[in-house]
Amino acid sequence: GAVVSQHPSWVICKSGTSVKIECRSLDFQATTMFWYRQFPKQSLMLMATSNEGSKATYEQGVEKDKFLINHASLTLSTLTVTSAHPEDSSFYICSASSTVYGYTFGSGTRLTVV
Amino acid sequence: SQELEQSPQSLIVQEGKNLTINCTSSKTLYGLYWYKQKYGEGLIFLMMLQKGGEEKSHEKITAKLDEKKQQSSLHITASQPSHAGIYLCGADRGSSNTGKLIFGQGTTLQVKP
Repeated sequence: GAVVSQHPSWVICKSGTSVKIECRSLDFQATTMFWYRQFPKQSLMLMATSNEGSKATYEQGVEKDKFLINHASLTLSTLTVTSAHPEDSSFYICSASSTVYGYTFGSGTRLTVV
Repeated sequence: SQELEQSPQSLIVQEGKNLTINCTSSKTLYGLYWYKQKYGEGLIFLMMLQKGGEEKSHEKITAKLDEKKQQSSLHITASQPSHAGIYLCGADRGSSNTGKLIFGQGTTLQVKP
């Protein structure tokens, strides 16, 4: 079935540094991928839509300069959290669409900023 | 804006018991998805419902979408410890496959052996 791989699964970084998270569709092509954020004990909130070959679209309240998204190929989208701060600590998860399985989610990345 | 309300928020059941989780939308649903998540991990796709009155089953889990397409239920028969986790309902925003899902707040299920 449709598999979405996300890497890394967890990362700890110092405040002020940048962190890149990768989301890959392993056995299908995804022109569109989605990035969500989940705070502890809360549900997932859509951050942005990643479009292959064009600019990402961001949800209201999400800073595009802080959360850089690049979707350079049909199987890879990256989310870079720039100048991370402790309040950016969260669980980030991507999803991609396939015609058979609907929306498949990656395994998520737990980011801790210290 | 569309919202999804899940109930109950948490549930503790004895192994072998049946249980139902509900998901109610403030607007007509275009597509309704059920996922299972273990805390801090990815989402496991369970089922997708699109037609009013649709019902799907997989192993001991059955999901239904009402005729008006505003409410869905997830029923687990003879629960097992492996069913424990967080169950999330999700729906497409708007009236087409946008891929932009909104989610309910989740239902945490514990199954006591």
